[in-house]
Amino acid sequence: DAGVTQSPTHLIKTRGQQVTLRCSPKSGHDTVSWYQQALGQGPQFIFQYYEEEERQRGNFPDRFSGHQFPNYSSELNVNALLLGDSALYLCASSPSGGPWYQETQYFGPGTRLLVL
Amino acid sequence: AQKITQTQPGMFVQEKEAVTLDCTYDTSDQSYGLFWYKQPSSGEMIFLIYQGSYDEQNATEGRYSLNFQKARKSANLVISASQLGDSAMYFCAMRRPYSGGGADGLTFGKGTHLIIQP
Repeated sequence: DAGVTQSPTHLIKTRGQQVTLRCSPKSGHDTVSWYQQALGQGPQFIFQYYEEEERQRGNFPDRFSGHQFPNYSSELNVNALLLGDSALYLCASSPSGGPWYQETQYFGPGTRLLVL
Repeated sequence: AQKITQTQPGMFVQEKEAVTLDCTYDTSDQSYGLFWYKQPSSGEMIFLIYQGSYDEQNATEGRYSLNFQKARKSANLVISASQLGDSAMYFCAMRRPYSGGGADGLTFGKGTHLIIQP
């Protein structure tokens, strides 16, 4: 049973560039959430996708956008990169359909983004 | 707004000893869930244990147990018989039901770096 997978594992970009990160959810999961984890901090919620739509969003600017495909995989796009966007980006998937408290999120290994 | 506080930036514990990692939370919601995740140096967040706000018994999962004290708004993680492989960052997190169905994104604390010494 494959877990959550993310690509690429590492990425180096320069300021002003755009980046796309990819996530495949765990088998049986249809909801994908993205988090940003700066060095020495806990992850911060960016947004959540369900049924190919953004269902919820954390406190992140519009430079952060996403997409969910019919097979439930997801992309995170960041435009006009800033030095402060350097972080570990984590994708988490969860199942829907049951009570909310059964929607435990399972995380992928993350993508480490460095902006120079 | 929800907030998670973890007051122990780092802990050193002898192998085979029990360890308690502290977590306090702040929320005005009646319904919420509390989670603990382990993050090794590789970066992946590993789910350990869950406690619901309405659960009357403390959650247990193998060597992990959650000491839930609702009135004090604390949800401490207890690891029994610690092992060298337990060395990692540990994060406490909270989630609540979302008005549109499903659940909110997780709110995390800053974490505790646990080091198990032989």
